[in-house]
Amino acid sequence: EAGVAQSPRYKIIEKRQSVAFWCNPISGHATLYWYQQILGQGPKLLIQFQNNGVVDDSQLPKDRFSAERLKGVDSTLKIQPAKLEDSAVYLCASSPGLAAYPYEQYFGPGTRLTVT
Amino acid sequence: GESVGLHLPTLSVQEGDNSIINCAYSNSASDYFIWYKQESGKGPQFIIDIRSNMDKRQGQRVTVLLNKTVKHLSLQIAATQPGDSAVYFCAENTETSGSRLTFGEGTQLTVNP
Repeated sequence: EAGVAQSPRYKIIEKRQSVAFWCNPISGHATLYWYQQILGQGPKLLIQFQNNGVVDDSQLPKDRFSAERLKGVDSTLKIQPAKLEDSAVYLCASSPGLAAYPYEQYFGPGTRLTVT
Repeated sequence: GESVGLHLPTLSVQEGDNSIINCAYSNSASDYFIWYKQESGKGPQFIIDIRSNMDKRQGQRVTVLLNKTVKHLSLQIAATQPGDSAVYFCAENTETSGSRLTFGEGTQLTVNP
């Protein structure tokens, strides 16, 4: 079974530029998560989708971050404009279960973003 | 706000020894806990979980202990191997938060040969 795919793996941009990350979850997984992991810290949930609907985006900085999962499969996370404090690893995870269950979250390798 | 944290940021052990990684949580409503392992350049990988109606759960070479009285969680790894070197996170969930996980800050485990 193929895992969660993410691209790019690394990205370096200057502050105030825009950037987009892509995630392809495990086939058949209904729930998709985006996490931000700052160096030395645990992942923090940004947004959760079930199919193409948003379940939880309470921790997403909506003034600069946006995400979509239009067809209920792959997803993109965008930052516009980027700030220095956005430097982090952006992890995508997917789960076969309903949005109500926390387990069985399978993580991708992440995209390491550096904002200079 | 309430969060999950770890007592020690780093732990160094000899190969073959047992490792104990600790985690303190402050949300008394937390009813489900997971330990994740994260190797360099990879995403977190599920190790073991435990629900609040249990005190102990065992897996292959790993044991999780939950002490709800003092809000403490630990991960024990038996006969630690070099491949166990990684950052270990505990994460918690409450029934009212859906599937949202709150992660602690992680412990870096280094296994010396």
